[in-house]
Order: sequence, then structure tokens, then C-alpha cells
Amino acid sequence: QLQLQESGPGLVKPSETLSLTCTVTGGSISSSSHYWGWIRQPPGKGLEWIGFIYSSGNTYYYKPSLKSRVTISLDTSKNQFSLKLTSVTAADTAVYYCARPVSSWFMGSDIWGQGTMVTVSS
Amino acid sequence: QSALTQPPSASGSPGQSVIISCTGTSSDVGGYNYVSWYQQHPGRPPKLMIYEVSKRPSGVPDRFSGSKSGNTASLTVSGLQAEDEADYYCISYAGSNNMLFGGGTKLTVL
Repeated sequence: QLQLQESGPGLVKPSETLSLTCTVTGGSISSSSHYWGWIRQPPGKGLEWIGFIYSSGNTYYYKPSLKSRVTISLDTSKNQFSLKLTSVTAADTAVYYCARPVSSWFMGSDIWGQGTMVTVSS
Repeated sequence: QSALTQPPSASGSPGQSVIISCTGTSSDVGGYNYVSWYQQHPGRPPKLMIYEVSKRPSGVPDRFSGSKSGNTASLTVSGLQAEDEADYYCISYAGSNNMLFGGGTKLTVL
């Protein structure tokens, strides 16, 4: 059974880089023809997609308004994928989820991690 | 592009049916058959209930159904049960490698 688990610092200072990792168990991120992605949810607010990367690692899609600050990458040796978000502000405070879409990246994700809370504060 | 429009709240009694709408434009909901719906209970990750307008992932009860007419997609929950009380979000492909989320609807089972 495929499972996802986020990990990373729970507190990041303003202007610094937020780095999170999603560890995939129960399947290989590189051998499956799937996308892998990140979605976040500010406290008490709705969902916001951040970006997705294909299992080959050479195709990715980022939310236009975040594109200049986001990098998503694969580490197939560790069966992980990661998120880097630069120049963070308080507006980036959120629960960050990693997820796997049911098929194409825009078709909804049927497998999710439990989420990790990241607070941006000095 | 603006977020998709959902009613902030909806409610129904056990056994009744409730319809939650998700309104966009011809550039997103109306232009593609790629509307999905999530259910989210407090403190839990979202759960995919519907994708491609009306398809249900395995394990989702057939009490949940999706449809679309023009620029509005709808999620129908039939035979309401207490455990259906949750937040519901719609998403749609919006072209140009973009995706839009709805603001969410809080469903209350009376």
C-alpha cells in the first residue's frame, strides 16, 4: 500500500528557504508513471496547489504565482521527492501536504501524506 | 485567474440529499472535463471523492456523485450521514498549465 510522509523543519525564518521532503513507501517513485506533488493549506483557509513533478523528473508544473520561488525535485535513490520554497514570508505559513494524483497532475490526488505544519516567523 | 466559487456552507438532515455547486468560467470548469472534489475532515488530509467530473475512486460510496452543466460543476451527496459532515473543495484544470481551487463549502448534517 503506497504511503507518503512529509518531513522537515516546523519553523522557518522570514526570507529564508523552506525545505520539505516526502518519503514514499510501498512503491517506487521512478518506476511508476505518476506525478508527485505538493499542496498547502494556511490555517483556517482553503487548499492551494504548489506544484507537481513527473516520475521521470524532467516534467514539472508550478502554480504561476509561486513559480519564481518553487523547486520540486526527485531523489530516486531515497524514494523521496522534495519541495524548496525560497524567500518565505508569513503568508507561506501553512500545513504542507505531499500527494500523488490519480493520473495526470491536474486530475485530483488520491494518495496524501498526513501533512506537516510550517510556521514562518522570526 | 480567480478561485472557483463555492457556497460557504450547506446543510441537510440525515437521509436527505445535498448539492454543492462550484462555479467557474468557460476557461476552466466549462472548458474541460477535469473537475475534482475533495472531502476534508478537521485535522485530516483531503480525500478525493470525485475526479474527471463524475468518476469515483475505489472505496468512495456511490452516495457521492458529480456532474457538470456549463460553467458549474456539482457534487451531490445522497442519503446524508453524520460522517459526511466536512469541508468540500472543488478543483478544475484551467488551461495554460494552471489549476484552480474553490474556496470550500462546510457541509453540516443537522
